[in-house]
Amino acid sequence: EAGVAQSPRYKIIEKRQSVAFWCNPISGHATLYWYQQILGQGPKLLIQFQNNGVVDDSQLPKDRFSAERLKGVDSTLKIQPAKLEDSAVYLCASSLGQRVTNEKLFFGSGTQLSVL
Amino acid sequence: AQSVTQLDSQVPVFEEAPVELRCNYSSSVSVYLFWYVQYPNQGLQLLLKYLSGSTLVKGINGFEAEFNKSQTSFHLRKPSVHISDTAEYFCAVSDRDGGFKTIFGAGTRLFVKA
Repeated sequence: EAGVAQSPRYKIIEKRQSVAFWCNPISGHATLYWYQQILGQGPKLLIQFQNNGVVDDSQLPKDRFSAERLKGVDSTLKIQPAKLEDSAVYLCASSLGQRVTNEKLFFGSGTQLSVL
Repeated sequence: AQSVTQLDSQVPVFEEAPVELRCNYSSSVSVYLFWYVQYPNQGLQLLLKYLSGSTLVKGINGFEAEFNKSQTSFHLRKPSVHISDTAEYFCAVSDRDGGFKTIFGAGTRLFVKA
């Protein structure tokens, strides 16, 4: 089966610019996650969708980050304006669950963002 | 709130030697525990998971982990490593109180030398 697709693979921007990341989860997966992985740290959950509804966005910096999952499939994560500390790898993951339960997560390869 | 501590940031080991990557967690309720592996330039993939039942869990690529409730640990082991096991390993936990969010540790870089 096709995996989780993310684009772009790399992005370099200057601080205060805007950037958007795209994710296409595995077909049929109801739950989609965006994680931020700063160098030397483990992935940190930013937002979790169940179909097209937000389940958890408690760690999303809402003053600059936004995410949407239209039609319960693809998702975009946007940063506007970017700060230096946003430099990280942004990982998208999906899982099958129709309910919010613990499950195996399938990860994409991530988008590496460098903010200069 | 749950949290995960991986005690070693880097573990160098010679090929064919045994290895143990340590993981401790904190949670006040029943937990689900995971180990994920991230090979260079690839996404994370699940190695193994503990949900319930037997405390010794076997995963892919010859890895296994043992859930120890009294010590709140979930250490990952392999009796004989290969060069191809060089990767970053992440321990993760989720529980009902945390809304089944998966919380990751900081990772342990396993470096297998010839």
